[in-house]
Order: sequence, then structure tokens, then C-alpha cells
Amino acid sequence: AQSVTQLGSHVSVSEGALVLLRCNYSSSVPPYLFWYVQYPNQGLQLLLKYTSAATLVKGINGFEAEFKKSETSFHLTKPSAHMSDAAEYFCAVGGTGFQKLVFGTGTRLLVSP
Amino acid sequence: KAGVTQTPRYLIKTRGQQVTLSCSPISGHRSVSWYQQTPGQGLQFLFEYFSETQRNKGNFPGRFSGRQFSNSRSEMNVSTLELGDSALYLCASSRAGGSEEQFFGPGTRLTVL
Repeated sequence: AQSVTQLGSHVSVSEGALVLLRCNYSSSVPPYLFWYVQYPNQGLQLLLKYTSAATLVKGINGFEAEFKKSETSFHLTKPSAHMSDAAEYFCAVGGTGFQKLVFGTGTRLLVSP
Repeated sequence: KAGVTQTPRYLIKTRGQQVTLSCSPISGHRSVSWYQQTPGQGLQFLFEYFSETQRNKGNFPGRFSGRQFSNSRSEMNVSTLELGDSALYLCASSRAGGSEEQFFGPGTRLTVL
């Protein structure tokens, strides 16, 4: 079975500060890992995905994530937060063959001026 | 290229009724997945259809069902609605399976009174 743990239901940063959202996964098979963002009253938008090609994955809007197998982690970072980054972020794990994604509980990012 | 569309966007029903939600995937996408999002349970996988066949199913009661048509459009049905079925129902599409990116629609907000 696959699972995802996101540490911290809320993360607060100041504009311009580093963003770090934590995600740890559990998977009995080589995982595919995703980060999605959800703005209020909207669906999910893919930020980036890891599919074993490279451990450091760059996504949209300046976000990136590093796959660390030894730590079973896939943390999301952004060097400098913008007000527009305030949203809820979901880490998800999937496997080959099916489109079943298992999501974490989400982390709400708050950005203050 | 049009995104995933879901209709209706908002729905209010009473307990015991049934409801049908519709999802139109991105043109050329053959896989459609459905997810339920609630504050308490987070994002949970309902089922996935590919070329009119249910390929995977989550852990939901039989009151939840779906189907996919030859044009890849999908519907999900919930019978005998319960208060706990109030949720945001998200549809996602992708071209095939495996690690391909899923594109999410804006969701249908179902309220059961």
C-alpha cells in the first residue's frame, strides 16, 4: 500500500522568505510523486512530478522538489515566497499502471507581507 | 485546448435523493478519475475509467458508481444520499495510465441537506 504524510497542516512565511513544505511517502514499489496546488474554489494544478528521471525536479512558478530515497521524502521548496503562492498544497504518490493517486492531507501556505 | 469541465459546479440535494455528476475530459484523453474531497477525509480516490472500462476502484460503498462513454466523457452517480456525502467531487483526466499527469477539473460542490 502507498501512503503520504505531509508534516504541518499550516505553514506561514513572510513574502520573500524560503518556502519548505514537507512530504514523506511510503511505497512498496518505485513511486511516482507529485505536488499539486489548489486555490480556493478551484481544482488541483500540477506543480511538478517525479518519475525517476532526475532526483531534483523543477516545476512551475519557481517551485522545485528533491526526491530522497534514503529519507523517503519529496519536500517542496521555493527560494522566495510571493503573496500569490498562498494556497493549499498536496503531495501525492502513485504507481505504474493505474491512475490512482494517494494524496496527503494537504498543507495550507500562508504568506504575509 | 479546453480543460476538464465538470457540471454542475454546485448542487444541493436532500438525504435519500440520488445525484449524477458529469465530467468532460480534455480532448484526446481516455482516462478519467474521480476523487472526493472533504475537510475530514481529504482527497480520496473513487474510481478510474479508461476506454469505457472501470480500471480501478477506491474504498467507497456501492452507492457510488460511475461510467464512461465512448467519447470519454464520464458520469458518476451517488444513490441514497447521506449527509456525509457532502463534498467537492473532482474529476481528472489523462491520456493513458501510469505516471502521466492528471489534469483536474474545477469540481462539483455537492451539499446534502
